[in-house]
Amino acid sequence: DQQVKQNSPSLSVQEGRISILNCDYTNSMFDYFLWYKKYPAEGPTFLISISSIKDKNEDGRFTVFLNKSAKHLSLHIVPSQPGDSAVYFCAARGDTFSQGGSEKLVFGKGTKLTVNP
Amino acid sequence: KAGVTQTPRYLIKTRGQQVTLSCSPISGHRSVSWYQQTPGQGLQFLFEYFSETQRNKGNFPGRFSGRQFSNSRSEMNVSTLELGDSALYLCASSLWQGSGYTFGSGTRLTVV
Repeated sequence: DQQVKQNSPSLSVQEGRISILNCDYTNSMFDYFLWYKKYPAEGPTFLISISSIKDKNEDGRFTVFLNKSAKHLSLHIVPSQPGDSAVYFCAARGDTFSQGGSEKLVFGKGTKLTVNP
Repeated sequence: KAGVTQTPRYLIKTRGQQVTLSCSPISGHRSVSWYQQTPGQGLQFLFEYFSETQRNKGNFPGRFSGRQFSNSRSEMNVSTLELGDSALYLCASSLWQGSGYTFGSGTRLTVV
């Protein structure tokens, strides 16, 4: 049972336009959500996160939106740049206290973003 | 400041063999977690260690095991390798609860 789903395996956008990557989750116990970016042959790099008590978090060109009632989050990249081309993973974490301090993340399968010059 | 270091970067093993992968966390980080990435499967949680104790374990067979040493360095071991164990194995460390992970570059294991 996949608790975090990224239904689009790939996305292609033009440089300068907006990239919107989507993620759905099923476990209502998740209270913290993260986006990671991954280049081939490298480990994932943290991009941005959002707590379940918020509905939006911005960091430069990256904004994450959370819709708790729909169990849906999205990552917006504006404007998109060719260097943004990578695989983007959505991840979710439950309350660390109830997990005995564990920071275990549940990841989606990723969306490959291609930004064309 | 050195990042998370994983050795070796690449490894080729034969079915039935065993393998040990190593992870050195960022200095001062006491929590280390391991993930397996296979094509089309995203990252799947293997286990998490904190202060030499396993704090959480994923849904993997007993052939997968790990440990953490007093200097926070961690190793994971896979015994009786199967072709399906071919994957990128990622280690991540964190400074304190809720501070977020920093991932290493991974060890690419190929089982032939």
